[in-house]
Amino acid sequence: SQKIEQNSEALNIQEGKTATLTCNYTNYSPAYLQWYRQDPGRGPVFLLLIRENEKEKRKERLKVTFDTTLKQSLFHITASQPADSATYLCALCQQAGTALIFGKGTTLSVSS
Amino acid sequence: SQTIHQWPATLVQPVGSPLSLECTVEGTSNPNLYWYRQAAGRGLQLLFYSVGIGQISSEVPQNLSASRPQDRQFILSSKKLLLSDSGFYLCAWSIITENSPLHFGNGTRLTVT
Repeated sequence: SQKIEQNSEALNIQEGKTATLTCNYTNYSPAYLQWYRQDPGRGPVFLLLIRENEKEKRKERLKVTFDTTLKQSLFHITASQPADSATYLCALCQQAGTALIFGKGTTLSVSS
Repeated sequence: SQTIHQWPATLVQPVGSPLSLECTVEGTSNPNLYWYRQAAGRGLQLLFYSVGIGQISSEVPQNLSASRPQDRQFILSSKKLLLSDSGFYLCAWSIITENSPLHFGNGTRLTVT
């Protein structure tokens, strides 16, 4: 069955540094992958979508890469700020026409 | 603009009692609708999704059910709650395009005692 792994449950970094979060998947070749941010007690909020034919996608301080050979996506936050502290989730579809499935998330803490 | 409403925000129910959680979407027509559950340490689990009125796909066998009586209304129900039903229940919608992002409500925190 499809498996999504976000390798680190928690990541602690200092303000101003770049945070890098990893998402690995097995047993499937998704056409696209999505990243979400979730704050405590709230629903996830969509951040970025990257397609299989896109190696990299950027939005302000966020950058996502997608390596279909390694079956891995990396999510980067540059010049991190304490306000970036949250849980970040990656998600993909098992197959066309089905709903998104999510990884367990990585909780990022940015200290000042 | 589109909005999604979920209620109640928190709920404490005894084991064996029934459950009804409601979700409505405004500002869009014929959305895909979803119910997810987030239990401690287990991540977001897809429970049900719907591509139209009366069309429900169930992902996980359990004592929960879902219904879509109107285009923008999605209801999650149970006849008898179990302790294992405790968790954070999230409703979401998307447009029908396959790669469209999900828009989540603020969730219902359910505690079964």
